[in-house]
Amino acid sequence: AQSVTQLDSHVSVSEGTPVLLRCNYSSSYSPSLFWYVQHPNKGLQLLLKYTSAATLVKGINGFEAEFKKSETSFHLTKPSAHMSDAAEYFCVVSDSGSARQLTFGSGTQLTVLP
Amino acid sequence: NAGVTQTPKFQVLKTGQSMTLQCAQDMNHEYMSWYRQDPGMGLRLIHYSVGAGITDQGEVPNGYNVSRSTTEDFPLRLLSAAPSQTSVYFCASSRRLDTGELFFGEGSRLTVL
Repeated sequence: AQSVTQLDSHVSVSEGTPVLLRCNYSSSYSPSLFWYVQHPNKGLQLLLKYTSAATLVKGINGFEAEFKKSETSFHLTKPSAHMSDAAEYFCVVSDSGSARQLTFGSGTQLTVLP
Repeated sequence: NAGVTQTPKFQVLKTGQSMTLQCAQDMNHEYMSWYRQDPGMGLRLIHYSVGAGITDQGEVPNGYNVSRSTTEDFPLRLLSAAPSQTSVYFCASSRRLDTGELFFGEGSRLTVL
């Protein structure tokens, strides 16, 4: 069975400082992992995905995530936060890679302070 | 580039009323789905479709009905609304079933009184 845990429900950073959003997963197989972002009153947008290729995955808007099998983690990072990064972020896991078998985390709300 | 379009954006219903949430995509995607988003719970799959004429249940299908007569459209019907169905509903599509790369609409916020 697959599951995902986002370790922080809220994260606050100052503009220009690094961002770290933490995600741990549980999977019986070699999982596919995703990060989605949701800006206020908008739908979710894919930031990046891991599908068993390179363990360091680069996404849009300067975000990246590293797949660490030994730690069952897929943390999202960005070197320097921008005000426009304020949003809710969802970590998503799929054992099969199938769209109908995605398990979403409960989300991390990122606040960026001026 | 419209992408995935949902209507209405907001709706208030009384308990027992029925309604349909509309979803249309213009990307010729095979796969379409409906999710509900509740605070602190992430997104949960209601129903999905892998092509015209083919639908199936997701994690939380009770109280909802879907059909897919065309590739473009995937409406979600609430048969008899209940307060527990107060939520934000998202329609999402994908080129194929075997990818988790979903394209989402902007959501429909439903309140059932």
